[in-house]
Parts: sequence; structure tokens; C-alpha cells
Amino acid sequence: QQKVQQSPESLTVSEGAMASLNCTFSDGTSDNFRWYRQHSGKGLEVLVSIFSDGEKEEGRFTAHLNRASLHVSLHIREPQPSDSAVYLCATRNNNNAPRFGAGTKLTVKP
Amino acid sequence: GPKVLQIPSHQIIDMGQMVTLNCDPVSNHLYFYWYKQILGQQMEFLVNFYNGKVMEKSKLFKDQFSVERPDGSYFTLKIQPTALEDSAVYFCASSPGHSSAETLYFGSGTRLTVL
Repeated sequence: QQKVQQSPESLTVSEGAMASLNCTFSDGTSDNFRWYRQHSGKGLEVLVSIFSDGEKEEGRFTAHLNRASLHVSLHIREPQPSDSAVYLCATRNNNNAPRFGAGTKLTVKP
Repeated sequence: GPKVLQIPSHQIIDMGQMVTLNCDPVSNHLYFYWYKQILGQQMEFLVNFYNGKVMEKSKLFKDQFSVERPDGSYFTLKIQPTALEDSAVYFCASSPGHSSAETLYFGSGTRLTVL
């Protein structure tokens, strides 16, 4: 079964500074990847989906996928205090439901 | 965007009792999911349901768990009997299809506390 590891566990950045989050997966069977955000006590909000190597941008959120290195990252441009949340990486293939990493807790300081 | 509603938002129950968690999925979605998240821990997959059948389940989906969606109404997760380790937030999700290209839409969760 696919294992998903996220790093760092927590990250603090200043408002306006780029935030970068990492996700590695255990093997190459996954064929798509998503980044979700979870504000405290809330459900999950999908941010960006990526299916092929390279970059995918959705507003201030950019995902970068490198299948060869089993790695997908999320970069948040000009983060704001309202972006403070837990960011979850999810991978799946056509045979299985998505599996999630443990998350990165992002804090954006004014 | 599409909304998945979960009722109730919080439920407290005594160990050994039965509990039913309700999910109102997006109206035209056909695939339904439950995930479990113990406070401060990882979101763990429980079960995927389609056309009246369990399609996939994890080892966390114990024999005491069951799911159904009678007559297109709520998609439910029933736990009977409950145990202390069932205390967690349970998230429901739905999607139009099951291909990996489909996005899952999540509810806000039901926080279950088993005393």
C-alpha cells in the first residue's frame, strides 16, 4: 500500500515569504496527486491537482511533481495569515481511494 | 464549490452503544468514502462505497463498522458496538466517479467522543 510522507511537520513563515512543503510517496503506482488544506476544525479544501511531471499552478499555489524521485511539492506564493492551516498531500491510483500524508502545519506570521 | 454535509458535527456516546454518522453527499456523486482522523494524527482511509457495495476497505474498517445508503438518502457509517479507540473525527467524502482524475469533496467532519 502506498505510503505518503510529508515534511516538515511544521513550518513558520512571515507574511509574503514563499512557503515550500514536501511530500514523498513510496512507489510509482500513483498516477495523480493532490494538495488539500485543512483549517482547524474544518473539512478539506482541494488546492491543486497534478497528474504529470512538471508544474501545475492554481492561483498562489504551485505543485511540482517529479515521479522519478517520488516527490511532489507545494509552493505558496505571498502567503497570508489566513493561509495558516494544515496542508495535506494525497496520492492515488485508479484502483484505490486517496491516501494522505500526516500533514504540514503552516503558520504565517503577520 | 460542491458541498458535502455531515450530521451531527459532534456526538458523544457511551462505550458499547451504537452510533450512526450521517453524510449528505453532493447530489450527482456516485462514490462515497469515510476517513478517520484521530486528534492530531493522520487522516486514515476507512471505506469506499458504490452502487450499494463496499468497493475497498482498510484494516481500520473493523467488523463493528458498516456502511449503507438506503434509497439514495444519507450515506451512513454505523459503529456497533463502539469502543474507546473509535473516538476521532470522521470525514465523509464523495466524488462523481472513481478514476484517479476525480476530486473527492469532503465534509467538515463529525467529532465522535466515546466515553
